[in-house]
Amino acid sequence: DTGVSQNPRHKITKRGQNVTFRCDPISEHNRLYWYRQTLGQGPEFLTYFQNEAQLEKSRLLSDRFSAERPKGSFSTLEIQRTEQGDSAMYLCASSLMLEGIYNEQFFGPGTRLTVL
Amino acid sequence: AQSVTQPDIHITVSEGASLELRCNYSYGATPYLFWYVQSPGQGLQLLLKYFSGDTLVQGIKGFEAEFKRSQSSFNLRKPSVHWSDAAEYFCAVGEGFQKLVFGTGTRLLVSP
Repeated sequence: DTGVSQNPRHKITKRGQNVTFRCDPISEHNRLYWYRQTLGQGPEFLTYFQNEAQLEKSRLLSDRFSAERPKGSFSTLEIQRTEQGDSAMYLCASSLMLEGIYNEQFFGPGTRLTVL
Repeated sequence: AQSVTQPDIHITVSEGASLELRCNYSYGATPYLFWYVQSPGQGLQLLLKYFSGDTLVQGIKGFEAEFKRSQSSFNLRKPSVHWSDAAEYFCAVGEGFQKLVFGTGTRLLVSP
């Protein structure tokens, strides 16, 4: 399967703990996006990378959140000192961005985080 | 800022009946528009997209959508719904060449 993969698929943690999620994009895709989806809502943009550079961060991404994409391949999203309000589905997407050509984003299955 | 409105939270359609899901967007320039479908516990699957050209676009699974600039709409249609179409449907607009802005979704229920 050459789609976007995310691990773990589910994570249950206690408030105050740190968690880290991983996303492996489609191999030739240079753009990688993170979104958050809460119950009954559409996905909301968090941040995106072009290769290893993080180009934009949403104001939703508080200081407790950090994302990396070393070497422009997989990405990790870490949440420190989790709060109950962080409970959500975290979605990763990737796309191939060529100059002047817009291509669609392909989504992974998501990581569902539950903070107790 | 860009925004997407999906006015119907839930829609119930009988199997075999036609379907139309509404989507209105707010965007200053020519929008990139998308419809995604999400089944329970799954990620988002792209149904169709509009970038430019013909305003009636065909997608997978027999879906189509029509871009109407004058109405700022991009409604999704299917002539005959199957039980397997029950899912949540999201309309999205691409902001520049970057992030997607999603609507709140419409949950489709299919009755026998």
